[in-house]
Formats: sequence, structure tokens, C-alpha cells
Amino acid sequence: RKEVEQDPGPFNVPEGATVAFNCTYSNSASQSFFWYRQDCRKEPKLLMSVYSSGNEDGRFTAQLNRASQYISLLIRDSKLSDSATYLCVVNPSGGYNKLIFGAGTRLAVHP
Amino acid sequence: GAVVSQHPSRVICKSGTSVKIECRSLDFQATTMFWYRQFPKQSLMLMATSNEGSKATYEQGVEKDKFLINHASLTLSTLTVTSAHPEDSSFYICSAPTAEETQYFGPGTRLLVL
Repeated sequence: RKEVEQDPGPFNVPEGATVAFNCTYSNSASQSFFWYRQDCRKEPKLLMSVYSSGNEDGRFTAQLNRASQYISLLIRDSKLSDSATYLCVVNPSGGYNKLIFGAGTRLAVHP
Repeated sequence: GAVVSQHPSRVICKSGTSVKIECRSLDFQATTMFWYRQFPKQSLMLMATSNEGSKATYEQGVEKDKFLINHASLTLSTLTVTSAHPEDSSFYICSAPTAEETQYFGPGTRLLVL
């Protein structure tokens, strides 16, 4: 089983749609969680951290369920500029430690 | 936010040559940096952890004699791909954590070995 698994995608949605990505992780002791965005042929960029209480940043909402080892990202009112690959990322041990990346879910928003 | 640079951004080399990639944290110090590799349509895979003042820690399956890592200062780590072969062609990305433990990624180096 992969350490971090994501929806395979791709997701093709019209502008204005709401889209949800799911992710599961295998290490129950994992400390911190993130969603990164990666544009084609570019480096990943931090979209948002994910907290147990859930957190929101504008049109983006992230949720964490530690009991189910499940992470989600909801994007409301999709924009063309949201088209990218979204990476679910887990830090197993916290601190200055390695990040484990999911394979990513590709989102394509069309007019 | 913090800035991490990589050089070169793209390199094409002949099989059997060595290639050095630099990773710099521009506005913060990083005692630890990470090197990742990403093949097309795959996720980033951690290759090794670069530690300033000590040996790098390699992930399972990554040859330390082939991928030489030197963390020369608190702002510079280098990855040297020795005797490169076509199967080493990939996107190499470094990252560095800030004191707040947020990791910032360099822009990546695209390596093509002919």
C-alpha cells in the first residue's frame, strides 16, 4: 500500500464548479499534512496546511480526519487558473523531516 | 515567502559525464535540505536528506556513490549525478525548511542524458 494515496483524476470541470479531492495516508502517527499545487513542469508550491479542526483559505477548504486517516480539499467556484496538479503531502514525523507525496490529482477547469 | 534557488534550470549532457546541481536558500539558513526526483506523470520521490556538517542520509534504493551530496554551508547544498545515464533523466527538485518548518522548493532542474 502506498504511504499517501489520492484520487487518480483527472478532474475536468467547468468554471464555477465545486470540486473535491480526497487523500488517505497509511502512517497513523503522521504529524502534519499539506496540500501543494504543482503546475506543469514547475516546482510544487504550498497551497495550505491541513489542521484537525479544518481550515479555510478563500475558496479552498481542507479537512483532516485522523481516525480515518483521510484528508480532503474542496475548491469552490473553480477558476481557469486553478488548473494544476494537487498533491497531498504528509510529514510522518514532524519537524525538519521528509515529506511524503501522493501521486497528485490533476484538475482541468474549462470555460 | 522564503526563496530557494536551483542552478542550472536545465542541463543536457552525454552519457557517462557528471552533472552538478546547486540548491541555495536565498534569505534563510537551512541546516537540512532535501533532494527529490520526479519522473513524468509521477510524484516527487525523496532521494536524500542533505545535512550541513555531516553526511547525507539516502533513501532506500538510492545509490550514494552515484548521487553525491555536499552541504557546504548553511545556504548551499549540491547534488552531483556521477556517470549519468539516460535513465537518470528526470526533474530534480530540492527543498529547504525554514525555522517555522515550512518547506520551500527550488524551481527544479531538468536533466536530460543523451
